[in-house]
Order: sequence, then C-alpha cells, then structure tokens
Amino acid sequence: GAVVSQHPSWVICKSGTSVKIECRSLDFQATTMFWYRQFPKQSLMLMATSNEGSKATYEQGVEKDKFLINHASLTLSTLTVTSAHPEDSSFYICSAKRLMSTDTQYFGPGTRLTVL
Amino acid sequence: AQTVTQSQPEMSVQEAETVTLSCTYDTSENNYYLFWYKQPPSRQMILVIRQEAYKQQNATENRFSVNFQKAAKSFSLKISDSQLGDTAMYFCAFMRRGNMLTFGGGTRLMVKP
Repeated sequence: GAVVSQHPSWVICKSGTSVKIECRSLDFQATTMFWYRQFPKQSLMLMATSNEGSKATYEQGVEKDKFLINHASLTLSTLTVTSAHPEDSSFYICSAKRLMSTDTQYFGPGTRLTVL
Repeated sequence: AQTVTQSQPEMSVQEAETVTLSCTYDTSENNYYLFWYKQPPSRQMILVIRQEAYKQQNATENRFSVNFQKAAKSFSLKISDSQLGDTAMYFCAFMRRGNMLTFGGGTRLMVKP
C-alpha cells in the first residue's frame, strides 16, 4: 500500500493563533511531499514542495513566512499556518512521492481549517 | 508552463451506463505522465488511472480506461458500467517526470440510480 495520513482532520482556531498540520507517509519513505490548498468547489492549488532535509520551495504568491513547512524525516512533513486569519480558512491536502519513484503522488485525507 | 483543461464542469450518467470525461493539456514536453484522480465527498484524493506519455497503449483499470491522443494533447477518461460509488469530482492532472502535478479544474460526476 501507500498510505498517507494527516492530523488533525479538522481544526478550528481563533484569528491570530498558529496551527500545525502533520502529514505522514505510514508505509513508505517519501523524499518529497507536497502541500495543496483547495477552496470549495475548486481544484487543488500547489502551495509548496517539501524535500526531506532541505528548505521548501514555495509557489508564486504563497507567503513562506506565513506557511512554514518542515520536512524533518522521510515520513513526516508539517505545515504551520502562522497568525491565521479567516481568509486562511480552507482545505489543506498533502501528498507524498515514494523514495526512488518519479511519478505517482499519494494523497492524505486533508485537513479542514476554520479560522474564526 | 503546463495547463490542464477540463471543459465539463458537471456531468451525469445513469447507473450501469458509460460516461466519458474530457481533458486536454498544453505542454512542450515529450516525456510526461497523465493522471485521473477521483475526489468523493470524503475529499480523499484517489488515484484512478495513470498514463505514461511514451506508451502508446491506452491505460486500463477495470471499468476505467483512457483515450490518450498525444498529438492532440487529449486524455479522456471512460467509465463503463457506472456505479453509484463513482459519484465524485474527477481531476485530470499532468506531471513532467520528477516534477509537480498540475490539475485541471475538475468535473463533477453524478451517477443516477
């Protein structure tokens, strides 16, 4: 299998607080993980690419100081939304690619963030 | 930059019938991968089928098959014997080798009993 988990599955926080979302590959090692954002009834938009042991690469328009990404091991990447505001409310999805694989990405179940 | 276009925002099909979802893409690359992902109401992204551009043979996975026309840059998904559980958003996606996925806007498929 190729299972990717995310925690939490949903979170509600107050404006101005920070929220951390974890993405784990449960049964494989992932050198590369990706973070996406999905607004209601829209497609997935790539936010950043996370490589184990190095700095994440952010897509144009994504604030790296607001969306902190850490990929400390081959099975774990975290996304921290700092000083969250209501406009950050969204569905965040991670995906992971297997070590030594160049194609298929396996997706986590997503995290719904609501900022009050 | 690559772009992926799904021209059908919504489609419906009767249970047990066949439906085809369209996808076109734009790229100057010669080696790449194409995918169809399914996102049911649970919002879990599920890989339906993948196609490697260098392979001429169309990929098939049980009731799901693709019509890959490389020259036309077209990659349609055919679902045979549609089932109620096929109701979902379907996303076409493009990936250069070793690179990131670019998704189309999605097609919402409703399978009617």
